[in-house]
Amino acid sequence: DGGITQSPKYLFRKEGQNVTLSCEQNLNHDAMYWYRQDPGQGLRLIYYSQIVNDFQKGDIAEGYSVSREKKESFPLTVTSAQKNPTAFYLCASSPTASYNSPLHFGNGTRLTVT
Amino acid sequence: GNSVTQMEGPVTLSEEAFLTINCTYTATGYPSLFWYVQYPGEGLQLLLKATKADDKGSNKGFEATYRKETTSFHLEKGSVQVSDSAVYFCALIRDDKIIFGKGTRLHILP
Repeated sequence: DGGITQSPKYLFRKEGQNVTLSCEQNLNHDAMYWYRQDPGQGLRLIYYSQIVNDFQKGDIAEGYSVSREKKESFPLTVTSAQKNPTAFYLCASSPTASYNSPLHFGNGTRLTVT
Repeated sequence: GNSVTQMEGPVTLSEEAFLTINCTYTATGYPSLFWYVQYPGEGLQLLLKATKADDKGSNKGFEATYRKETTSFHLEKGSVQVSDSAVYFCALIRDDKIIFGKGTRLHILP
């Protein structure tokens, strides 16, 4: 089945450590996105990529980094510089760079940093 | 700028009740409008969409009509089920940017 796979579902880290969240899609979509979801705040865009080897900052990119070396993969690294990293992280993709294509979401990774 | 405002939750209803979740938007021109649903522990799924004024999107018994005159896209369902318990997000796309509302949590009691 085609879809977006995020792993792991739950992730625990100690403060000060970098951590990388995986996102893989087999939908052959050009565009991929990372969102952060916090209670009562909806979804906030961290980074997005419209094509391989290119990505742009979203609204809350500070403390995060991404890479897009392959079309199907868009990993997100939460660095120690991110002040409040505990959150639910959602990866999404769309067929083209145009947002008029609805987004397809993965099932998310819940990160807890203590 | 562009924005989406949803009614705050949680909304709690009994099974078979009528549901309305309000959504209004601010945008220039004619944005495309969407409702997404997020079931517990999962990502968001597209529920329905409308791309021009007076369009009605529908899916799984849910409906929403694009009202340009009131800049609204309210979600409705005639008879909710326990399985409809989820968080619902209204969203718009304009100028290749997607803007989400903050989400409305819906609890359906058996």
